[in-house]
Amino acid sequence: GIQVEQSPPDLILQEGANSTLRCNFSDSVNNLQWFHQNPWGQLINLFYIPSGTKQNGRLSATTVATERYSLLYISSSQTTDSGVYFCAVNSGGYQKVTFGTGTKLQVIP
Amino acid sequence: NAGVTQTPKFQVLKTGQSMTLQCAQDMNHEYMSWYRQDPGMGLRLIHYSVGAGITDQGEVPNGYNVSRSTTEDFPLRLLSAAPSQTSVYFCASSSRGPEDEQFFGPGTRLTVL
Repeated sequence: GIQVEQSPPDLILQEGANSTLRCNFSDSVNNLQWFHQNPWGQLINLFYIPSGTKQNGRLSATTVATERYSLLYISSSQTTDSGVYFCAVNSGGYQKVTFGTGTKLQVIP
Repeated sequence: NAGVTQTPKFQVLKTGQSMTLQCAQDMNHEYMSWYRQDPGMGLRLIHYSVGAGITDQGEVPNGYNVSRSTTEDFPLRLLSAAPSQTSVYFCASSSRGPEDEQFFGPGTRLTVL
């Protein structure tokens, strides 16, 4: 099956700093999503982005499907950005979504 | 729309007990799935369904049963709970299949003693 790797595994930022999270995948994908799991455990949809670039406020994402990676940019980070960020993909022919192991982000005041 | 709802939010079981985790969606989605999340890990697929009456196994199906009698509901049954099933369980749905945007419920935190 498809392999999904995220980096870095852990990240500590000062409030106001910018960051880039990376998701690499081993095969072509039909979809790619970024999620934020907040400290209360809720999974929040950030982006559905099989290819191209999207922006939502301070967050943006880019997927380069031909090179098998996606990037999540967080600008002017806030303490509420803390949590774990997951990317998840579906690869052609497989009836499932595969999650990466996540990037744990801590934003300190 | 309520989206994807799950009950209960928390549950404690003794080894050998059975229970059903409920999942419902009101978006008329065809595809529904169950995941478990263990500490420090991503989500792993337990079972999924591509429509009413159709279910199949995911990566970690042992110890769990599912059924899909309606489009809206997709319950997960633990027939004889084991401590290894202590986890957080998430239900998800999407319009047609895994290629579409997935929407997750709030999760059920299960502890098996």
